[in-house]
Amino acid sequence: DQQVKQNSPSLSVQEGRISILNCDYTNSMFDYFLWYKKYPAEGPTFLISISSIKDKNEDGRFTVFLNKSAKHLSLHIVPSQPGDSAVYFCAARNENNNDMRFGAGTRLTVKP
Amino acid sequence: NAGVTQTPKFRILKIGQSMTLQCAQDMNHNYMYWYRQDPGMGLKLIYYSVGAGITDKGEVPNGYNVSRSTTEDFPLRLELAAPSQTSVYFCASSYRTGTGMGYTFGSGTRLTVV
Repeated sequence: DQQVKQNSPSLSVQEGRISILNCDYTNSMFDYFLWYKKYPAEGPTFLISISSIKDKNEDGRFTVFLNKSAKHLSLHIVPSQPGDSAVYFCAARNENNNDMRFGAGTRLTVKP
Repeated sequence: NAGVTQTPKFRILKIGQSMTLQCAQDMNHNYMYWYRQDPGMGLKLIYYSVGAGITDKGEVPNGYNVSRSTTEDFPLRLELAAPSQTSVYFCASSYRTGTGMGYTFGSGTRLTVV
């Protein structure tokens, strides 16, 4: 039961351009959405989150957009840098539930 | 500032063997979690704990056991290893759940059962 889906296993962009990573979910009870970044041989690290009462949250070069009606969120990275190359996981949870659901991840490669 | 420490980093087990994956955090977090990540899949919750002495099942608990005798430690036990348990295991911790606060993850334990 894949409640959080990242349909693009990989994405390649040029340094300085925008990276857009997408995520879809099926459970309407989710009320928090998070993005994690993972480098090889390391655990995921928290990047940015958004509450379901918002449609946008920005932190420096990273912006997350939430479209509740479409059950879709996206992560924008502008400008992209080679150090952003990693696997990005989308995650979702319900405030009353301890089970955070993760997508399968998108591998981002930023080319110099 | 160690964060979340997992040991071992790698392990090969034979079918039917048992082992304990260790997890320790030094941030005084109440909540701790065990996830597994299979190739091409997202992380799935095995067990979690909301405090010392309290544990509960996640999405995929079968074949595993946990205990939480202290705030710092949350070991994961595999009693009879099976090839289906070949995976990368991540331990995580957080102050509390139900918020947008992210978890702090360990670097993972790569387990192969042959």
